[in-house]
Amino acid sequence: EPEVTQTPSHQVTQMGQEVILRCVPISNHLYFYWYRQILGQKVEFLVSFYNNEISEKSEIFDDQFSVERPDGSNFTLKIRSTKLEDSAMYFCASSEALPAVGGYTFGSGTRLTVV
Amino acid sequence: GENVGLHLPTLSVQEGDNSIINCAYSNSASDYFIWYKQESGKGPQFIIDIRSNMDKRQGQRVTVLLNKTVKHLSLQIAATQPGDSAVYFCAEIGNQFYFGTGTSLTVIP
Repeated sequence: EPEVTQTPSHQVTQMGQEVILRCVPISNHLYFYWYRQILGQKVEFLVSFYNNEISEKSEIFDDQFSVERPDGSNFTLKIRSTKLEDSAMYFCASSEALPAVGGYTFGSGTRLTVV
Repeated sequence: GENVGLHLPTLSVQEGDNSIINCAYSNSASDYFIWYKQESGKGPQFIIDIRSNMDKRQGQRVTVLLNKTVKHLSLQIAATQPGDSAVYFCAEIGNQFYFGTGTSLTVIP
């Protein structure tokens, strides 16, 4: 069954450093998303991406965040200068179409720990 | 985001019993809902979906009920198994998901 792959599974970084979280969405999917989940809290939407541009973003997704699809397979989330409160699980997801009939397919997540 | 929330944060059931997990939503215009299961350390996993033109949908051991009058969703799991232990989220679907905070289901052997 097709999967969304995320790397690394766990990233530890010092406050103020830049991090890049990587995702390989399902190959025939056109819509890509990043979500985050702070420990013990609900999954929160960050950004959606379609046709090489951001289609929607939440208020969490401020200037410190950026996304990119540098080639035909990868979808990355960059946090420019990490803060302690950025520590969370970050989930990438993709869908074939909108609305996402059958839901999004989520990756297993990257646990980001900012120290 | 929209108010998609769950009534109970935790639920414990005996193995073999049926489980019912509830969810309330606030946007009466929503027309598509999904239940997700999230096991510890993993991403959300699709369980079952339902459109607003339906009031019931059945899958394998799972049934989703939609009551549009009171804006309420429920997930019923038949013959709950230890592998069903997880956090269950309902999500309201537009161009993005609005997740509830989740209900943690614990199955007691």
